[in-house]
Amino acid sequence: AQKITQTQPGMFVQEKEAVTLDCTYDTSDQSYGLFWYKQPSSGEMIFLIYQGSYDEQNATEGRYSLNFQKARKSANLVISASQLGDSAMYFCAMREGYYNQGGKLIFGQGTELSVKP
Amino acid sequence: SQTIHQWPATLVQPVGSPLSLECTVEGTSNPNLYWYRQAAGRGLQLLFYSVGIGQISSEVPQNLSASRPQDRQFILSSKKLLLSDSGFYLCAWSVGPLKKPGARSEQYFGPGTRLTVT
Repeated sequence: AQKITQTQPGMFVQEKEAVTLDCTYDTSDQSYGLFWYKQPSSGEMIFLIYQGSYDEQNATEGRYSLNFQKARKSANLVISASQLGDSAMYFCAMREGYYNQGGKLIFGQGTELSVKP
Repeated sequence: SQTIHQWPATLVQPVGSPLSLECTVEGTSNPNLYWYRQAAGRGLQLLFYSVGIGQISSEVPQNLSASRPQDRQFILSSKKLLLSDSGFYLCAWSVGPLKKPGARSEQYFGPGTRLTVT
């Protein structure tokens, strides 16, 4: 069963507008972590933001915020005031399982974001 | 500060040839290390991870293998490449060990190796 689902293969947003990238996850664990990464055309994966399953507040990192709805098992990424440099692939990922499993991440299929000038 | 290196950056190899990709991390000790593969336009698939020297866990059966001869060195190998081995290979590290499954400990990725098997 798919653990991480990103239903938007591609999205467009106008520069300076906000955009929401969807992510839903599936787990039976009580303790887990959710991550968002950005992958520009260069290929490198850049960590953006983290949300722990026990965190009561939504995570924020600069222009990035995570809309965490635990009951719905969703962890959507919100990018405010989009910039041309935000054009990239965005991946949602989850960590679950025992700590001695090395903290491995399960990734979604990604959403390609294009910012229009 | 910590840095992660991968080489080579690109590689074109014929089917049946051997493979060796290297990843090294600087500025940290006893990291968790990971090898991922990304097919074109797809998400990342975890291939191997390591929580210490000589400790390798394989996630998918395939003709690839991994080794960790030193604390901050992670090597991905194959004796005979297949066409299906083509892809973008990413090495990553994170702080280890984790205290709980949901711990933050984000993974930091290297620049990747683009492998084409012909």
